[in-house]
Amino acid sequence: EAGVVQSPRYKIIEKKQPVAFWCNPISGHNTLYWYLQNLGQGPELLIRYENEEAVDDSQLPKDRFSAERLKGVDSTLKIQPAELGDSAVYLCASSPGPGETQYFGPGTRLLVL
Amino acid sequence: KQEVTQIPAALSVPEGENLVLNCSFTDSAIYNLQWFRQDPGKGLTSLLLIQSSQREQTSGRLNASLDKSSGRSTLYIAASQPGDSATYLCAVRVPKAAGNKLTFGGGTRVLVKP
Repeated sequence: EAGVVQSPRYKIIEKKQPVAFWCNPISGHNTLYWYLQNLGQGPELLIRYENEEAVDDSQLPKDRFSAERLKGVDSTLKIQPAELGDSAVYLCASSPGPGETQYFGPGTRLLVL
Repeated sequence: KQEVTQIPAALSVPEGENLVLNCSFTDSAIYNLQWFRQDPGKGLTSLLLIQSSQREQTSGRLNASLDKSSGRSTLYIAASQPGDSATYLCAVRVPKAAGNKLTFGGGTRVLVKP
């Protein structure tokens, strides 16, 4: 069974440019999470979806970050414009339902120059 | 606000030695606690999950204990191997009424030397 798929795996952009990350969760998983992981730190939740509804986006910097999960399956996370401090790993995870074990993708490593 | 701390941040041991990784959390009202492993450039793999009503969980060479009242969990890895080299993260989940969130510690980076 395929795990959580993320693309791209690596992205290098100049500051002020836009960037988008894509996540395909495990089939049948209704809950999808986006996390931000800075170097040497644990992941921090950005947004959680239950199907296509964003039920927790309190940690998402809404001035520059946006996310969508239109059909309740794949999700995209966008940053526009990117800043130097956005350099980090962006992890996507999914679970069958809220509160159940989360399965993580390999992440997208972003470097903003 | 729940805060999770892992000490030490890094650990180096010779092969065969037992590993002891510590995790502490500030709010004892947790739903469960989970230990993850993260290899460089990869996502997180769940190792053990302990429900708030449990004291410990075991899987092979891994044993995790939970003392909710003191806000502590310990992950023991017996007879360490070079393949155990990775970063180990603990995470606590708060109850659904409090948002059902998973809060991670900063991780302990482990190196097992052959």
